[in-house]
Amino acid sequence: DIQMTQSPSSLSASVGDRVTITCRASQSISSYLNWYQLKPGKAPKVLIYAASTLQTGVPSRFSGSGSGTDFTLTISSLQPEDFATYYCQQSYSTPLTFGGGTKVEIK
Amino acid sequence: EVQLVESGGGLVQPGGSLRLSCAASGFTFSNYWMTWVRQAPGKGLEWVANIKQDGSEKYYVDSVKGRFTISRDNAKNSLYLQMNSLGAEDTAVYYCVTGGGVPGARFVHWGHGALVIVSS
Repeated sequence: DIQMTQSPSSLSASVGDRVTITCRASQSISSYLNWYQLKPGKAPKVLIYAASTLQTGVPSRFSGSGSGTDFTLTISSLQPEDFATYYCQQSYSTPLTFGGGTKVEIK
Repeated sequence: EVQLVESGGGLVQPGGSLRLSCAASGFTFSNYWMTWVRQAPGKGLEWVANIKQDGSEKYYVDSVKGRFTISRDNAKNSLYLQMNSLGAEDTAVYYCVTGGGVPGARFVHWGHGALVIVSS
């Protein structure tokens, strides 16, 4: 099974900050990496797929990069609605696996 | 508009069974892999099972193999998860999700989830 390791597990940031979350796969997954945003009481939302492709309707302040084993999600200027938990997920092979999550909190 | 509506969640005793259903609308259900994802209280997301468009392929996370069965009825635009021999570790919100075939599975549409509580 492919293990996905996210860091940090949580971070505090202010509105307007640039935020970077990393995700590492235990083996190469090419670009088969997706990012999701979770807010309490809401259905999860896909932000980025195929490592760097922005899902339709997602603000351009979100971006993704990486390939192989190391990936990054960047929020260029954090907005109030971005305080949430973010997960990476590999879509290379079954079992499909998620990272442990990164909670972005208000500083 | 894509809609996925889960039902069938609730409180069940350890060792018991429960069947989750997901009613899909707003898209051609029979064209999509479908998946169940769960989130235990205070924990992260966990892929549970997925099923191919025609039901010919099904895959499960190790922790539910032999206990859970995913199925679908394309005529009824419905996805199911039969859960047997439930344990406390199965307590979670279960989401019905579009997508799931590898490589490239992308979970675009999610239901709002069904809460399953396994407790005596």
